Amino acid sequence: QKEVEQNSGPLSVPEGAIASLNCTYSDRVSQSFFWYRQYSGKSPELIMSIYSNGDKEDGRFTAQLNKASQYVSLLIRDSQPSDSATYLCAVSQGSQGNLIFGKGTKLSVKP
Amino acid sequence: GAVVSQHPSWVICKSGTSVKIECRSLDFQATTMFWYRQFPKQSLMLMATSNEGSKATYEQGVEKDKFLINHASLTLSTLTVTSAHPEDSSFYICSASPGGRVDEQYFGPGTRLTVT
Repeated sequence: QKEVEQNSGPLSVPEGAIASLNCTYSDRVSQSFFWYRQYSGKSPELIMSIYSNGDKEDGRFTAQLNKASQYVSLLIRDSQPSDSATYLCAVSQGSQGNLIFGKGTKLSVKP
Repeated sequence: GAVVSQHPSWVICKSGTSVKIECRSLDFQATTMFWYRQFPKQSLMLMATSNEGSKATYEQGVEKDKFLINHASLTLSTLTVTSAHPEDSSFYICSASPGGRVDEQYFGPGTRLTVT
């Protein structure tokens, strides 16, 4: 059974701090990795994709991938109260593979 | 770009009736669309993959005769919940892929279904 594991949280960080969200996956052949943000009562919004080992930066967000450790993370710099949401990690075997979602980590950024 | 809409955003129906939910890609053509269901405090569970012009592929445990999916055009897929029961009450979300990558999906705003 392919699994994607995330700490459910809640993860609480003060405004301006770095929030670190982690995700592990069980399927070694996974090739594509995504982070989605989901506000309460809303649908997920794609914020980052990463396909190769290393870091990928986009504004305040940095995704990190380590395929050997089957680990992907998301760093949010200068966290804002508006970043408070549930962050879903999703993994796919490749460009034609379905997404497998983790249960999400709830992030709370305190003013 | 990559905007997906859903209609209705919420619906209440009586047990035993059917409900149709529409999913549209507004600014791109989507050969493949996906239907997910999300229960409170749970993650998204893929129900089926919808390909334009062909039959949908359902995930294990999803009743294809109960959840009818039609992908009539490159911009429209519909999900019909037939003979709805209270346990079908959930948040139904569709997604679509704008390019050749099926795994890069953009989600619609979701439809909250309540069956009384």
